[in-house]
Amino acid sequence: NAGVTQTPKFQVLKTGQSMTLQCAQDMNHNSMYWYRQDPGMGLRLIYYSASEGTTDKGEVPNGYNVSRLNKREFSLRLESAAPSQTSVYFCASSVVRFTEAFFGQGTRLTVV
Amino acid sequence: EDQVTQSPEALRLQEGESSSLNCSYTVSGLRGLFWYRQDPGKGPEFLFTLYSAGEEKEKERLKATLTKKESFLHITAPKPEDSATYLCAVLSGAGSYQLTFGKGTKLSVIP
Repeated sequence: NAGVTQTPKFQVLKTGQSMTLQCAQDMNHNSMYWYRQDPGMGLRLIYYSASEGTTDKGEVPNGYNVSRLNKREFSLRLESAAPSQTSVYFCASSVVRFTEAFFGQGTRLTVV
Repeated sequence: EDQVTQSPEALRLQEGESSSLNCSYTVSGLRGLFWYRQDPGKGPEFLFTLYSAGEEKEKERLKATLTKKESFLHITAPKPEDSATYLCAVLSGAGSYQLTFGKGTKLSVIP
C-alpha cells in the first residue's frame, strides 16, 4: 500500500521553465491538496480538490495551476518558474475535505 | 486574519523528561485542530484531531488537549525516537474553510 506518491523527488529548473509535479493516491480518498513548505514558515496551501471534478484556490495560488485528472491523481503545474517558487512541495489526500490528511514524501524544487 | 503560533520553536529534553508543546490560535470559527509529526526529509504524519474545547486524545506517550485559545501536546517520558518537528494546524471558517499551519516545534530527545 503506497499511500501518496509524488514524482519527481528532486528537480532543478531554470527561471522561466515549466514543469508539472505529479501526485497519486491509492487510498480511494475524495480530497487532495498541494502545499509548499519554506524554511521558517508553516505549510501553506496552494490548491485543493475537495472531490473529483472540483478545484479551489488555497492561500498561495499565484503562479500555479492544478488538474484533478481522476480520483487518484492531482497534478501541480508551474507555467513559468520563478526563484520565489523554490520550495518543498507536498501533496496530501484525505477521505473528505480538511480531515485527517496523508502526505507524500515531498518534491524538493530549486529554481535558479 | 487567522494566526497560529507554536512555542517553543525548539525543545531539547533528556530521555524520560516529560514536557508540553503549545499551539495558540486566533481564528474566527474553529472547526478543528490537527497535530502532525514531521521527520526530516519526510512528509507530515497525522497524530490527532481535536474539535471542541475540553477534548483530549492520547496515543502512546502523546496526549493532546484543547481549550478555546490553545492546544497542548504533552509528551510523557519521551524516547529518542520521539525526536521530530511537531506541527499544529487550525481549520476555521463557516462556509469557506481556511487551514492555517503553525511553524512547528522541533523536539530533540537526548539519550
